[in-house]
Amino acid sequence: GAGVSQSPSNKVTEKGKDVELRCDPISGHTALYWYRQSLGQGLEFLIYFQGNSAPDKSGLPSDRFSAERTGGSVSTLTIQRTQQEDSAVYLCASRLNTGELFFGEGSRLTVL
Amino acid sequence: GNSVTQMEGPVTLSEEAFLTINCTYTATGYPSLFWYVQYPGEGLQLLLKATKADDKGSNKGFEATYRKETTSFHLEKGSVQVSDSAVYFCALSDRGNAGNMLTFGGGTRLMVKP
Repeated sequence: GAGVSQSPSNKVTEKGKDVELRCDPISGHTALYWYRQSLGQGLEFLIYFQGNSAPDKSGLPSDRFSAERTGGSVSTLTIQRTQQEDSAVYLCASRLNTGELFFGEGSRLTVL
Repeated sequence: GNSVTQMEGPVTLSEEAFLTINCTYTATGYPSLFWYVQYPGEGLQLLLKATKADDKGSNKGFEATYRKETTSFHLEKGSVQVSDSAVYFCALSDRGNAGNMLTFGGGTRLMVKP
């Protein structure tokens, strides 16, 4: 597609369940980022992928969070044993080398 | 570490009023500075940017000047419209950081009333 696509757009889950959030970056973009936007808060960096290099995981808040990027394209963010404080909008962004960062519309996660 | 501080909202203005949203930053290197906008129901999109001191970024009537001496990048618009209602995020990208990661401020919600 023309832009960054994220799915699902909304996800409601019960505490303790695992969730997977998907990001389809713009075709050809080598860099992919995940951010988290909590209610009333700014954007919190989670993880960054660049080409075939090892990802920068320095922003992941706990070992319940993980992400992978298959074939240098689609990325999946997985949250295991979800907690209520994981409720947020998870944003994916991609860019070509050091150009402009393009964001998806986000996946809103609600943990009951 | 890097950080961005911007004024808390919401900012409520009448149409055609003058807008200023303050943004200050702390960075270890020589950052590029950005303003992103998030319209209701949409993803973030780049509004404007400046890559070095004294540069002025501008777009859609919005302007911001990179002030190294005051470490600021305040967003201004001379006459706001209802369609400008959105959340505005100030951000920096430090070339010293791996991947030029963007560090964002907390966002400022702007509401423009007709």
